[in-house]
Amino acid sequence: AQSVSQHNHHVILSEAASLELGCNYSYGGTVNLFWYVQYPGQHLQLLLKYFSGDPLVKGIKGFEAEFIKSKFSFNLRKPSVQWSDTAEYFCAVNAWGSQGNLIFGKGTKLSVKP
Amino acid sequence: GAGVSQSPSNKVTEKGKDVELRCDPISGHTALYWYRQSLGQGLEFLIYFQGNSAPDKSGLPSDRFSAERTGGSVSTLTIQRTQQEDSAVYLCASSLWDRDHNEQFFGPGTRLTVL
Repeated sequence: AQSVSQHNHHVILSEAASLELGCNYSYGGTVNLFWYVQYPGQHLQLLLKYFSGDPLVKGIKGFEAEFIKSKFSFNLRKPSVQWSDTAEYFCAVNAWGSQGNLIFGKGTKLSVKP
Repeated sequence: GAGVSQSPSNKVTEKGKDVELRCDPISGHTALYWYRQSLGQGLEFLIYFQGNSAPDKSGLPSDRFSAERTGGSVSTLTIQRTQQEDSAVYLCASSLWDRDHNEQFFGPGTRLTVL
């Protein structure tokens, strides 16, 4: 069965610090990978996605993620965080070519101190 | 354009009552998904629809939960004889039925509280 692990439950950073949130998945086949963000009081929004091609994908608001197939990882990065990045971040996966459900990680809460 | 909408935004009910939650997907999206978000459980898949049919009902936690979709558009999730453990935020998402563009777009959710 597919599963997704996010290593950090809560990350606290100061503004301008660099961010890396870990995500590992378990699935034997080809996958689609996603990062979603949930700002306080708002609904889930797609941050970025990987379907195929260049394993380094860029998303909105300066975020990027790198798919490393050999490590089953899809870590999220941002070189310099802002207070407005305070949110909960969810990594998700589904099987390539599938229209089925997403499997989500438990989420990582990011708190950025001004 | 309009996103996924859900109603009601909040629902408080008494244990044992039935509730209906509604989802309006993005126009033209043929796939529709229901998830549940609760503290400590993260986001849990419930059911998805392709058009009006539900190929995968494996995530429904019990036979008290059911869902339908009509006209390839609006969907309702019904919970019968609600229990306190049903308290959660119920999220709906929709996507195109397209291998290369199947990212899911989420609605704001319905927060269900069972007293």
